[in-house]
Amino acid sequence: DAKTTQPPSMDCAEGRAANLPCNHSTISGNEYVYWYRQIHSQGPQYIIHGLKNNETNEMASLIITEDRKSSTLILPHATLRDTAVYYCIVRPPEPGDSNYQLIWGAGTKLIIKP
Amino acid sequence: EPEVTQTPSHQVTQMGQEVILRCVPISNHLYFYWYRQILGQKVEFLVSFYNNEISEKSEIFDDQFSVERPDGSNFTLKIRSTKLEDSAMYFCASSEELESVGHRSRDTQYFGPGTRLTVL
Repeated sequence: DAKTTQPPSMDCAEGRAANLPCNHSTISGNEYVYWYRQIHSQGPQYIIHGLKNNETNEMASLIITEDRKSSTLILPHATLRDTAVYYCIVRPPEPGDSNYQLIWGAGTKLIIKP
Repeated sequence: EPEVTQTPSHQVTQMGQEVILRCVPISNHLYFYWYRQILGQKVEFLVSFYNNEISEKSEIFDDQFSVERPDGSNFTLKIRSTKLEDSAMYFCASSEELESVGHRSRDTQYFGPGTRLTVL
């Protein structure tokens, strides 16, 4: 089972920041938090990942709490094309792990409204 | 930007027939994966492949499934005798190998656009 909990759906106004929360209270100290999104049954698209520090790239920012039990994905200026299902996934640590498969939950359906 | 490609985009087959789904991973990647997603359900891991052998597989990946890297660029998933319940989107993914001091690890998985398999 997925080690993460996300709200099933969220709305956000176009042009505003979309903040998607994720709880991963059982995360281990060396497990990564990954975010992907899936636009209408297309292939999952990698967004960002982090371990302990906050991360930012051209798509989004990832804020991880100090205790690492939760994180927030931030899309700074949401557009209609950001409407998708967003998945927060805890990735097992390496090296030597035998479970590098990504375990997917139901994700958050984010709807960007004009 | 390099990307994973998959063919065909849609495959329709009769129950009991064999199908081969094809993937071209990103060229310098060494780890390859298949996932599937039944309509309206979660994405599910099927199998991972490295160094010409399966490294992990799920319960779904039974004897009807096989994977192969027939040449230096393609990675295929074969379903020997399709069933109605095999109807799903099938996604291929690949990841790079990272080397740091003392160990190797697998980097981020990048996914292809998927093949929609419809079994009639």
